Amino acid sequence: QLQLQESGPGLVKPSETLSLTCSVSGGSINTRGYYWGWIRQPPGEGLEWLGSIYYRGNTYYKSSLKGRLTLSVDTSKNQFSLKLKSMTATDAALYYCATQREDGSTLLWGQGTLVTVSS
Amino acid sequence: QPVLTQSSSASASLGSSVKLTCTLSSGHSTYTIAWHQQQSGRAPRFLLELEDSGNYNRGSGIPDRFSGSTSGSDRYLTISDLQSDDEADYFCEAWDSGVRSFGGGTRLTVL
Repeated sequence: QLQLQESGPGLVKPSETLSLTCSVSGGSINTRGYYWGWIRQPPGEGLEWLGSIYYRGNTYYKSSLKGRLTLSVDTSKNQFSLKLKSMTATDAALYYCATQREDGSTLLWGQGTLVTVSS
Repeated sequence: QPVLTQSSSASASLGSSVKLTCTLSSGHSTYTIAWHQQQSGRAPRFLLELEDSGNYNRGSGIPDRFSGSTSGSDRYLTISDLQSDDEADYFCEAWDSGVRSFGGGTRLTVL
C-alpha cells in the first residue's frame, strides 16, 4: 500500500534554508489526478497547508509563502521535495508530506518530521 | 478560498454519539470538505469527504461509526458508539483551484 516518508534535518539555523524530501513507496508519483503536498503543524497548533506539486511539475503555493517556498519532484526517485528559505522561529513545526486528489481531499499523510529553528 | 471554522473543544461519553461542526465562510456554502482525525502524537488520518448534498465517502478502513451530513454552510462529522480511541483532534479541510485550507480543529474528549 502507498506510504509516504519525510526526511531531512531536524535542526535549521535562523536565516538558512530548510530542505525536506518525501519518499513515496507502494505506488508511483506519476499518477494522474493526484498532487503531492506539504502541510505543517507548529507544536500544539493546527494544520497549515504550504503547497502542492503535480508529477509534471505544476505547483500551488500558499500565498504568504510565495518567494520563500519551492517544491520540486523527482519522478526517477519517486520523491518530491520542499525548500523553504530564510527560516525563522515561526517556521518551527512538524512538517508532513501528503498525497491529495486533484480537486479533492488529502488522502494519506506521512508520519511527519519535526523541524527546530535555532542557532 | 474558503475559511473553515470549528469549535475548539467537544466532549461526549463512551458509547454515545457526538456531532462535530465545520462551518464554511460566506459564499462557499457549496464546497465539498474532508474530515481528518489526529490522535495524540500521531499523523492525521483521512476520515471522509463530504459534499454539500450530504453525500459522503469514507476513507479505506474507516468504520461506519463515522458519518457525515450537511446543513447550509455547516458540515458535520458524527461519531457514534464512541470509543476511547476516538479521543483526538478533528480537522476539516477545503480546497479551491489547488489552494487548500484547514479549520482550527476540534479536540474531542471521551468521558
